[in-house]
Amino acid sequence: AQKITQTQPGMFVQEKEAVTLDCTYDTSDQSYGLFWYKQPSSGEMIFLIYQGSYDEQNATEGRYSLNFQKARKSANLVISASQLGDSAMYFCAMRSISGYSTLTFGKGTMLLVSP
Amino acid sequence: DAGVIQSPRHEVTEMGQEVTLRCKPISGHDYLFWYRQTMMRGLELLIYFNNNVPIDDSGMPEDRFSAKMPNASFSTLKIQPSEPRDSAVYFCASSLRQAGDTEAFFGQGTRLTVV
Repeated sequence: AQKITQTQPGMFVQEKEAVTLDCTYDTSDQSYGLFWYKQPSSGEMIFLIYQGSYDEQNATEGRYSLNFQKARKSANLVISASQLGDSAMYFCAMRSISGYSTLTFGKGTMLLVSP
Repeated sequence: DAGVIQSPRHEVTEMGQEVTLRCKPISGHDYLFWYRQTMMRGLELLIYFNNNVPIDDSGMPEDRFSAKMPNASFSTLKIQPSEPRDSAVYFCASSLRQAGDTEAFFGQGTRLTVV
């Protein structure tokens, strides 16, 4: 079974600063993918970034980067230069790469960006 | 492609009534997922299909819930009879075959309120 833990119910950051959202996971799979999604107040789920368990380099997508530490089973999301529009819920998720695979989500972290 | 399309966006119904939620996945995607989101329980996987075949329905809360995928471009989630505790946002998502390393694309969700 897979489990995602996001220990920060809420985070505050000032505009233009960087923020790290924590995510730890537990799985017995050897190959898996880790994902971050953003859910703004409008409700849609927006995919942000992906990291494969076999990737040696940390994933980056614009202002988003994923700090992947396999030995610690952590996949923290780093948002650089925060913007007001980054205020949203952020969900970490994982999926096995082999066989039938579903997305397992964490409880989420609410990020508020202040001016 | 227009993305995953869900209908209706909002549904208000009385307890005991039948509710049908609809989903059109992205063309070519072989996996379809139904998730439920509540404040208390977060994002829960209800059921998922691969090539129109239900693979795992262990997340379906009880017999009042049923899901079908009669063809590759359409799925329904039915609740009969509905109860106030079914009030939640229901998401449909789709992803590519053998896509443990690619993201799932979510619809806009259906906000269900049972009064």
